Order: sequence, then structure tokens, then C-alpha cells
Amino acid sequence: DIQMTQSPSSVSASVGARVTITCQASQGIGSWLAWYQQKPGKAPKLLIYDASSLQSGVPSRFSGSGSGTDFTLTISSLQPEDSATYYCQQANSFPLTFGGGSKVQIK
Amino acid sequence: EVQLVESGGGLVQPGGSLRLSCVASGFTFSSHEMNWVRQAPGKGLEWVAFISISGSIIYYADSVKDRFTISRDNAENSLYLQMHSLRAEDTAVYYCARLRAAGTRWFDPWGQGTLVTVSS
Repeated sequence: DIQMTQSPSSVSASVGARVTITCQASQGIGSWLAWYQQKPGKAPKLLIYDASSLQSGVPSRFSGSGSGTDFTLTISSLQPEDSATYYCQQANSFPLTFGGGSKVQIK
Repeated sequence: EVQLVESGGGLVQPGGSLRLSCVASGFTFSSHEMNWVRQAPGKGLEWVAFISISGSIIYYADSVKDRFTISRDNAENSLYLQMHSLRAEDTAVYYCARLRAAGTRWFDPWGQGTLVTVSS
């Protein structure tokens, strides 16, 4: 199984700050990576797929990059509504696996 | 509007059984592969099961293999998860999730989830 390791597990930043979350796969997955946002009590929402493609309707301050084993989700200018937990997911092979999550809080 | 609505969750004793349902609307259900994903209280996301469009290809997480069965009824726009021999560690919110498009494995959208609690 492919293990996904996210860091940091939590981050606190001010409105307008740039926030970066990383995700590392235990083996190469090409660009088969997605990022999800989950707010408390809600279902996850797809933000980024194919490592860097922005899902329709997602604000452009979100971006993804990387390939192979190392990936990054960047929020270029943090907004209050971005307070949430973010998960990466590998889509290279079954079993599909998620990272442990990164909680983003507003200072 | 694309929508997935789960039902069937509840409290069940260890060793018991439960059947979850997910009704789809707003898209052509028979054209999309479907999945169940769960989330234990306060924990991360765990993929549970996948079913192809026709139902001929099915995959399970090792943690549920031989205990859970995924199925679908394309005529009823419905996805199911039959769960047997339930354990305390199966306690979670269970989400049904569509794969975004053929040949992809991104989950979009997700249902609102249904809570399964396994406890005596």
C-alpha cells in the first residue's frame, strides 16, 4: 500500500499569509494526487486534482504542485473561510489512501 | 444539482449487521464509478470500497474485506454497503463518493455522511 505523509499536522497563520502544506508518498505516484478541504461537521470537498488542476469553483488562491513523491498545497493569501482540515489522497493505485490531515487555523 | 444522500446508519452491537444506502441525483449514476469512504470520530479519512459502473469490478480495504459488500442498482440510482461482523473500530461516519470522471480516482462529490456506531 502507498503511505501518504502530510506535514505539518497543524498550522496557525494570519489572514493574508501564505500557507504551505506538504504531502509525501511512500513511492512514486506521478501526478495522481488530489487535495481536499474539510470543515467541521461537513463532507470533504475536492480542491485540486491531478496534483495541480484547480477544481471548478475553487478560489485561485489555492494551488497545487509536485510530482513523483513530493507534493505541495499552497494557499497564497489565507482567508477566514479557509480555516479547515486539508487532506491529500493518492489516486495511483488501490487501496486509495489519504494523508493524515493538516489543520489550518486563523491567528 | 449533483447530490448524494446516505442513509441507514445507527447504533449496532458488536458482531451485528447494517446496510447503508446512498441515493444519487443530478447526474447519470450509471456512468460513474462509486466508493464508500469512512471517518472515525476525530480521525482522518479511510477509503473503504470501490465499485465499477457495471458492478463487475470491486475493491475493498483490507480492514473490511470479507465483512463488507458494496453493490449498486443503476436503475434505482443507488449505492449500497452491506456490513457484517461489525467491530468497535468500524464506528465512523460513512460517506458515499463519486469518482469525478472515468479513468480518474478523485472523489467528487461526497454525500453528507451517515454515522455508524458499534457499541454494546
